[in-house]
Amino acid sequence: DSGVTQTPKHLITATGQRVTLRCSPRSGDLSVYWYQQSLDQGLQFLIQYYNGEERAKGNILERFSAQQFPDLHSELNLSSLELGDSALYFCASSDNNEQFFGPGTRLTVL
Amino acid sequence: AQKVTQAQTEISVVEKEDVTLDCVYETRDTTYYLFWYKQPPSGELVFLIRRNSFDEQNEISGRYSWNFQKSTSSFNFTITASQVVDSAVYFCALSEGDSGYSTLTFGKGTMLLVSP
Repeated sequence: DSGVTQTPKHLITATGQRVTLRCSPRSGDLSVYWYQQSLDQGLQFLIQYYNGEERAKGNILERFSAQQFPDLHSELNLSSLELGDSALYFCASSDNNEQFFGPGTRLTVL
Repeated sequence: AQKVTQAQTEISVVEKEDVTLDCVYETRDTTYYLFWYKQPPSGELVFLIRRNSFDEQNEISGRYSWNFQKSTSSFNFTITASQVVDSAVYFCALSEGDSGYSTLTFGKGTMLLVSP
């Protein structure tokens, strides 16, 4: 158990819908990262927050947004969902050394 | 731009065989970190090792060993006497800079199947 929690574990929704994925980092970790794992793109970095502020941005679509709250948990919002957004979404947190990954949220868009 | 290449898409071995997973990276930074993660069928990502660019010593942890060669930009991973429980997808990853808060660039992964 990495100490990073993600909810929900599975999410099934329809095209055009909006969903929110939630992540709680390990106690004391200030930085949160979101990654997407899909069959065609592999594992790719989406966005990073550090203590509430956006720190780095990767291949995140404009339909996606994220934020980190004062209690350091983070939410990834995916809107106008398309079939191609079906993927495993990982959250990770860091203590300035390794990144600890959560169990992931598997999103299926039908 | 940084890039990680894992040329082996899938490897099949029989239990007790040794197996080496290849990883080649590209970066312009002189300071960087290299990682290996394991993703078993259950889906979670399990951290295996982190190595900085200034430490080229090989590392051994039980049946696992890593060979870092800056001259060839490679960071290969060997499992000795493989076991069925080693069956998983293994990812090599790179982060640039000396900050522990840098983001990870992953390779496409190598699926290892160990049969009894």
